[in-house]
Amino acid sequence: QLQLQESGPGLVKPSETLSLTCTVSGVSTSVSSHCWGWVRQPPGKALEWIGTVYESGSTYYTPSLRSRVSISVDIPKKQFSLRLSSVTAADTARYFCARTNGGTYYDAFDMWGLGTMVTVSS
Amino acid sequence: QPALTQPASVSGSPGQSITISCTGTGSDVGGYNFVSWYQLHPGKVPKLMIHDVSHRPAGVSNRFSASKSGNTASLTISGLQAEDEADYYCASYRSGDYPHVVFGGGTKLTVL
Repeated sequence: QLQLQESGPGLVKPSETLSLTCTVSGVSTSVSSHCWGWVRQPPGKALEWIGTVYESGSTYYTPSLRSRVSISVDIPKKQFSLRLSSVTAADTARYFCARTNGGTYYDAFDMWGLGTMVTVSS
Repeated sequence: QPALTQPASVSGSPGQSITISCTGTGSDVGGYNFVSWYQLHPGKVPKLMIHDVSHRPAGVSNRFSASKSGNTASLTISGLQAEDEADYYCASYRSGDYPHVVFGGGTKLTVL
C-alpha cells in the first residue's frame, strides 16, 4: 500500500522559509507515471493547490505563490519537497503532499498524505 | 481569479440523493474535461472520488456520479449514507499565462 508522509517544522517565524518534505513508501511505483504535488488548507478555509513537480524536475505553481514557492523531487530518496519563502500568518495551514493519478501536472491527486499543520508565528 | 464556486452546504436524509454544483468559467470547468472531486473527513486522508469529469477510481462506490454542462460540473450522491457526511471539493485545470489547478470553495454535506 503506497503511503505518503509529510514532515517538517510545525512552527515557522514570519519572513522565514517554510520547508516540508514528503516521503513516499510502500508498493514500488513508477515515478515517471506520476507527478508529485502539494495542497494546503488554512484553518476553516478551502483547499488550495500549490503546485506539482515532474520526475524531470519541471514544475508548475499556482500564480499567487509563484514568486515564493519551490517544489523539488529526489527520486532515489523517494522524497519531494516544498519550500515557501517570506511566510506570513496567511501561510498558516495544513499542508498535504499528494501524487497525481497520471503523468500530467494537472491530473487529479489519487494518493494523499495525512497532512501536517504549519503555524506561522513569532 | 477566485476559486470555483460551490454551495457552502447541502443536506439530505439517508437514502435520498443530493447534487453539489461547481461553477467556473470557459478557462477552467467549461473549457476542459479535467474536473475532479474530493471527499474530506476531518483527520482522515483526502479521497479522490471522481476524476476527468465523470470517472470513478476503483473502490469508489457507484452511488457517486458526476457530470458537466457548460461551465458547471456536478457531483451526485445517491442513496445517502451517514458515512457520506463530509466536505466535498471540486478542482479543475485552469488555462492562462500560468496554467494551474484551482479548487472550489468546498461544500459541507450533512446527512440528517
